[in-house]
Formats: sequence, structure tokens, C-alpha cells
Amino acid sequence: AQSVTQPDIHITVSEGASLELRCNYSYGATPYLFWYVQSPGQGLQLLLKYFSGDTLVQGIKGFEAEFKRSQSYFNLRKPSVHWSDAAEYFCAAGPGGYQKVTFGTGTKLQVIP
Amino acid sequence: DTEVTQTPKHLVMGMTNKKSLKCEQHMGHRAMYWYKQKAKKPPELMFVYSYEKLSINESVPSRFSPECPNSSLLNLHLHALQPEDSALYLCASSPPDGLYEQYFGPGTRLTVT
Repeated sequence: AQSVTQPDIHITVSEGASLELRCNYSYGATPYLFWYVQSPGQGLQLLLKYFSGDTLVQGIKGFEAEFKRSQSYFNLRKPSVHWSDAAEYFCAAGPGGYQKVTFGTGTKLQVIP
Repeated sequence: DTEVTQTPKHLVMGMTNKKSLKCEQHMGHRAMYWYKQKAKKPPELMFVYSYEKLSINESVPSRFSPECPNSSLLNLHLHALQPEDSALYLCASSPPDGLYEQYFGPGTRLTVT
């Protein structure tokens, strides 16, 4: 069965520090992979997407993600966190096509001054 | 126009009411989705419309009835809901030429009394 695991429920970082959010997936074949961010009471915003090609993917708002097939991870990174990055982050994986996408349980990011 | 819009933003309804949620996009996307999201949880897929045809129904109770009148518009008709149906309802759409990523609207906060 397909699954997406975000092992960190909650992460706290200082403003200006680097960030890495972990995402492990379990899929029959390489899935289409996504990271979304959600502020309280809002919809989800797509940060980046990946299926093939360069394993370091650039997204919006200074985020990037590294795909590693051998370890089944798709980790999100940012070199320097801003207070406005505080939000819930969801990793997701799908089989392609307009099919059901599996979401991880989310990681809540807190940014302290 | 590069966004998905949803109306209303908030809705309070009694268990005997009939109401509808509306979602609109003018980006030429040909797949549209309804999700339900409870607090501190990832979105749960309810329905998918692909090229205006219902392609996925995740065993949603019949008190939720989706409709896709045209490629830009998606409705969710609500009837005889239960208090446990209170949630954030999110609409999303996917472009025809991407990696099947989804673009989300801001959601409708539904409260059933």
C-alpha cells in the first residue's frame, strides 16, 4: 500500500536558521511528489513538485527539495527561515493522472525570534 | 486568472438545511477535486472530476452530492448533514500539462449545528 510518512509532527527553528523537513514515501514505482504549505484556516499552497530529472528541485519562497530514490525520501529544505514560514507543511505522493494523492500527516513549523 | 476561488468562506447550517458550496477556476484546468479537512489532519479526498465527468468517489455519504456544470465550475450540494461533517472543505484543480499537481482554493469553513 502507498504511504507517505512525515516523522516530525512539530519542529521549532530560530529565524535565520536552516530548515529540513523529512518525508519518506512507500510506493510501487517512483511517484509524483509534492510539498504543500498551509497557514491556519487557509488552503494549501504548492511549494514544489517532482517526478524525474535533477534530484534537487527548486520551488517557490526559497524552498528546495532533495529526492533520493535509494532511501525513498523527498526532504524539503530552506537555507534561512523567515518568521512568515511558520505554518503546516504537507508532503504528498501520487501515481500520476488525476488520481488520489496520498498526503503525509503534516509537520507544524514554529519559528522563534 | 491564476487562482481557485471558493464561496462562501464560512457557512453555518442546520441538520435539515440544504446548501451548496461553489468552486471556480479560469485557468483551463480539466480536473477538479473536493477535499474535506478536519483540524490538525491532512486533507481527505472526496471526489474527483476529470474532463467534467466524475472519476473518483471515495465512498462519500450521499448527503454530499457533487456537480460539475462546466470545466470551470464545481459545486458540492449538502443536505441533511451531521455535526461531524463540520470541517474545512477545499477545492483543487490540476492543469492538463503539468505533473498532476493540485492548486487549492482557500476553502469553505462549514459548521453544522
